[in-house]
Amino acid sequence: AQSVAQPEDQVNVAEGNPLTVKCTYSVSGNPYLFWYVQYPNRGLQFLLKYITGDNLVKGSYGFEAEFNKSQTSFHLKKPSALVSDSALYFCAVRDDTSGTYKYIFGTGTRLKVLA
Amino acid sequence: DGGITQSPKYLFRKEGQNVTLSCEQNLNHDAMYWYRQDPGQGLRLIYYSQIVNDFQKGDIAEGYSVSREKKESFPLTVTSAQKNPTAFYLCASSPVTGLNTEAFFGQGTRLTVV
Repeated sequence: AQSVAQPEDQVNVAEGNPLTVKCTYSVSGNPYLFWYVQYPNRGLQFLLKYITGDNLVKGSYGFEAEFNKSQTSFHLKKPSALVSDSALYFCAVRDDTSGTYKYIFGTGTRLKVLA
Repeated sequence: DGGITQSPKYLFRKEGQNVTLSCEQNLNHDAMYWYRQDPGQGLRLIYYSQIVNDFQKGDIAEGYSVSREKKESFPLTVTSAQKNPTAFYLCASSPVTGLNTEAFFGQGTRLTVV
């Protein structure tokens, strides 16, 4: 079965420092990987995706993610964190092994950027 | 504005009642999904549908029902058989072909049993 894992429940980083939110995946076939952000009592907002091509994917709000096939990872990164980046982040994989499409989400990582 | 609309934003249910959560999209997406979010558990898939008049159970379908009579609409009914329905419910939609593969989410409905 397709799955993603987010090993950290919470990540704390000082404003202006680089941030990394970790995600590892387990898929059969080529992975379709995604990052989403959620602010309190809101839906999920799409940040970026990896389908094929360059291993470094750039997305919204200055975020980027690095796809690493050998380590089966898709970590989310930002060179300089903002207090407004504080939110809940989800990694996801699209599972189409059964002939229909569905999205499998990790348990989420709470990012706290300290002023 | 294109997007997904969930209503109501807050819903209160008495014990033993069925309630229906609305989800409408105008993105012309074929696929629609319902997820349940509980603290510390991420998003769990309840039901999903790839085409009108067809849908599949997700990981936690017991106590829930859905219909897909129109492409734009995918309502979720939380029945009295769902023993612990208090949660945040999220609806999403996505295309099923092409490279635009990401799902789009509504703003959620918070259901509370009173």
